[in-house]
Amino acid sequence: DGGITQSPKYLFRKEGQNVTLSCEQNLNHDAMYWYRQDPGQGLRLIYYSQIVNDFQKGDIAEGYSVSREKKESFPLTVTSAQKNPTAFYLCASSIGDRAGYTFGSGTRLTVV
Amino acid sequence: AQSVTQLGSHVSVSEGALVLLRCNYSSSVPPYLFWYVQYPNQGLQLLLKYTTGATLVKGINGFEAEFKKSETSFHLTKPSAHMSDAAEYFCAVSLWAGNQFYFGTGTSLTVIP
Repeated sequence: DGGITQSPKYLFRKEGQNVTLSCEQNLNHDAMYWYRQDPGQGLRLIYYSQIVNDFQKGDIAEGYSVSREKKESFPLTVTSAQKNPTAFYLCASSIGDRAGYTFGSGTRLTVV
Repeated sequence: AQSVTQLGSHVSVSEGALVLLRCNYSSSVPPYLFWYVQYPNQGLQLLLKYTTGATLVKGINGFEAEFKKSETSFHLTKPSAHMSDAAEYFCAVSLWAGNQFYFGTGTSLTVIP
């Protein structure tokens, strides 16, 4: 079955460390997105990519980086510059604006 | 600028009662509208969407929503709440010309036995 796979589901990081969250899709979708979710704040867009080898900053890109070397993959790196990284991270993909997004099951990152 | 407002961050209903979750949007162009549901520690699942055509759209799990252009609203309803409906619900809008979604802040639905 087609879908989006995020791994790991739970991730713990020490302060000052970079960590990379994986997002893989086999839906043949061109566009992929990373959102951060905090209680009471809904979803906030970190980065998005509408085509391979190209990506754009979202509303809260500071402290994060991405790459899009393959259509299927859109990994997110949370750097040590991100001051408050503890959150639930959601990856999504889309074939177009009428179709809506398909979401992964999320990664919960905790800084210890 | 586009925005989505969900009135009521928490809604409680009794089992069997009507569910009404409110969503209003602002958009300079005709939008596409979506409702998503999220269960704890999971991703978002598409409930229903409005793109063109009939303004009353039906989705999964007995939910439906009506696009009212004059009121810039897309409220989500279900005639009879079930315990399994307890979740977080998000309204979202996208523009016909673009591919970026704008999400509301979500409404947490509690169903009381």
